[in-house]
Amino acid sequence: KQEVTQIPAALSVPEGENLVLNCSFTDSAIYNLQWFRQDPGKGLTSLLLIQSSQREQTSGRLNASLDKSSGRSTLYIAASQPGDSATYLCAVILRGGGFKTIFGAGTRLFVKA
Amino acid sequence: NAGVTQTPKFQVLKTGQSMTLQCAQDMNHEYMSWYRQDPGMGLRLIHYSVGAGITDQGEVPNGYNVSRSTTEDFPLRLLSAAPSQTSVYFCASSYRDRGYEQYFGPGTRLTVT
Repeated sequence: KQEVTQIPAALSVPEGENLVLNCSFTDSAIYNLQWFRQDPGKGLTSLLLIQSSQREQTSGRLNASLDKSSGRSTLYIAASQPGDSATYLCAVILRGGGFKTIFGAGTRLFVKA
Repeated sequence: NAGVTQTPKFQVLKTGQSMTLQCAQDMNHEYMSWYRQDPGMGLRLIHYSVGAGITDQGEVPNGYNVSRSTTEDFPLRLLSAAPSQTSVYFCASSYRDRGYEQYFGPGTRLTVT
């Protein structure tokens, strides 16, 4: 059974710091991996989708990497800002069986001004 | 495009009552799914559909029914509400040609007393 783990569960950093959020999954037979942002009381906003054949994706100050063989993905946030404060969720899209998605519990990020 | 819409935003039910949570998307996505989000548990898949007329169970399907008569709509029915169904419910849609990248609705906050 696929399990997705995110470490750390919570993180507090000063503004301007570069940071890395970690996601690990137990079964490497994934179709894609997606990173989301969720603000308190809101829905999920897609940040990046990494296809299983890719190693990384970039969008602005965000860079996500994928290492299927080791079951790991990282989300790198450069020059963090208070507006980056949110919960970041990692999700793996499984191959076959309806392409179901399994989510990690998330990392709650607080960026201090 | 309105994207994925959900109604209502908030709902309070008494134990034993039934209701339907509505979800609609206007992106012609073939894949739609329902999740519930509980503190400390992350998002868990309730039911999903890979196209009109086709539905299947996710991780936590008990107490919920779905149907998919059109591509656009995917309602979730609570048959007899229980306090354990107090949660935030999210609907999502995705499309194969976009690598099943998921787009989420704003959520419905349900309280069962």
